[in-house]
Amino acid sequence: KNEVEQSPQNLTAQEGEFITINCSYSVGISALHWLQQHPGGGIVSLFMLSSGKKKHGRLIATINIQEKHSSLHITASHPRDSAVYICAVGVGNTPLVFGKGTRLSVIA
Amino acid sequence: DVKVTQSSRYLVKRTGEKVFLECVQDMDHENMFWYRQDPGLGLRLIYFSYDVKMKEKGDIPEGYSVSREKKERFSLILESASTNQTSMYLCASESSSNYGYTFGSGTRLTVV
Repeated sequence: KNEVEQSPQNLTAQEGEFITINCSYSVGISALHWLQQHPGGGIVSLFMLSSGKKKHGRLIATINIQEKHSSLHITASHPRDSAVYICAVGVGNTPLVFGKGTRLSVIA
Repeated sequence: DVKVTQSSRYLVKRTGEKVFLECVQDMDHENMFWYRQDPGLGLRLIYFSYDVKMKEKGDIPEGYSVSREKKERFSLILESASTNQTSMYLCASESSSNYGYTFGSGTRLTVV
């Protein structure tokens, strides 16, 4: 079974800072997902990627298949970015394996 | 927009009651999943289904069962609710062709 490690577990940043959250996994995958969960909220899919890089607004996700590593970057962070960010990986038609999440707090 | 709807946002039930949590998706997805989410434990897979009338046990199936009579609907059943089943329950669906994944908004169940 794939093992998914996220770092850091907790992150506090000042508004405007550039943020990076990392995800490593142990077995080759079909797709990697980045998910976001605001306090008390549901889980929203931010990105699904299997290679390269994707960008949406201030969020950028990259993946290095050879190194089995992905990063989620947030540029010009804002307090509304405060949430738990979860990395999840899938292999073929098997259930996703989730990381434990990174709790981000952005302070104004 | 793709949608996964869970029937209740909050639910309070008594110990020993039979509890039904309903999940409906409108995307014609083949795959559906039930998770519970607890502080410090992350998301844990209870049951999943890859087709109508099919079901597979996840990591923590004890005390739960599921039903998938129609493609769009996946129900989680707590046969006899216990206080340790107090949790946030999340349903998700996935396209088997492009792995697109969508979560419902969750049901916070309290068993008293």
